Amino acid sequence: GQQLNQSPQSMFIQEGEDVSMNCTSSSIFNTWLWYKQDPGEGPVLLIALYKAGELTSNGRLTAQFGITRKDSFLNISASIPSDVGIYFCAGLPLMNAGNMLTFGGGTRLMVKP
Amino acid sequence: DTEVTQTPKHLVMGMTNKKSLKCEQHMGHRAMYWYKQKAKKPPELMFVYSYEKLSINESVPSRFSPECPNSSLLNLHLHALQPEDSALYLCASTRDPYNSPLHFGNGTRLTVT
Repeated sequence: GQQLNQSPQSMFIQEGEDVSMNCTSSSIFNTWLWYKQDPGEGPVLLIALYKAGELTSNGRLTAQFGITRKDSFLNISASIPSDVGIYFCAGLPLMNAGNMLTFGGGTRLMVKP
Repeated sequence: DTEVTQTPKHLVMGMTNKKSLKCEQHMGHRAMYWYKQKAKKPPELMFVYSYEKLSINESVPSRFSPECPNSSLLNLHLHALQPEDSALYLCASTRDPYNSPLHFGNGTRLTVT
């Protein structure tokens, strides 16, 4: 089956630093999504990308849909303590039925005040 | 606040019990999903309902039985579970079954004793 390789698996950074994480795949995806999950809660959609090369921002977050359709990255600028959580990328393949998203393994972000 | 509501938030059950998880959305979404999530792992798809019909069952054991009474409601009936079934069970919905992002509820934390 399809797999998404998400890296890094975890990051421990100082408050105010910028963060970068990415996902790569051996297959082409039609849609890339980035979610954040806080402890005890469900994943919350941060950014959705629908077009190769697309660069989209949501506040301090910026994500890009790779031109090859096989990768995406998420950047967080000037991190703050509430950025702590697990970030998941997810992709929808070109030929799909029933919205079978493929998830990356997650990036656990820890922020030191 | 999430627009997908799940109850209960926590559930502890014995291996001989029968219980049900409930999910509700009023966004007019026509596809609903059950996911299972173990600690520090991405969500794993269990079932997909598309236009109130079961469209995908990811080889889930029969001790898990989904039900979609109407387009706004999704249930997961549990019977004779095993301790390894303990996990966070997430409900999600999408506007349609194709190419639209998942909206997750906050999940039910299930513990099987």
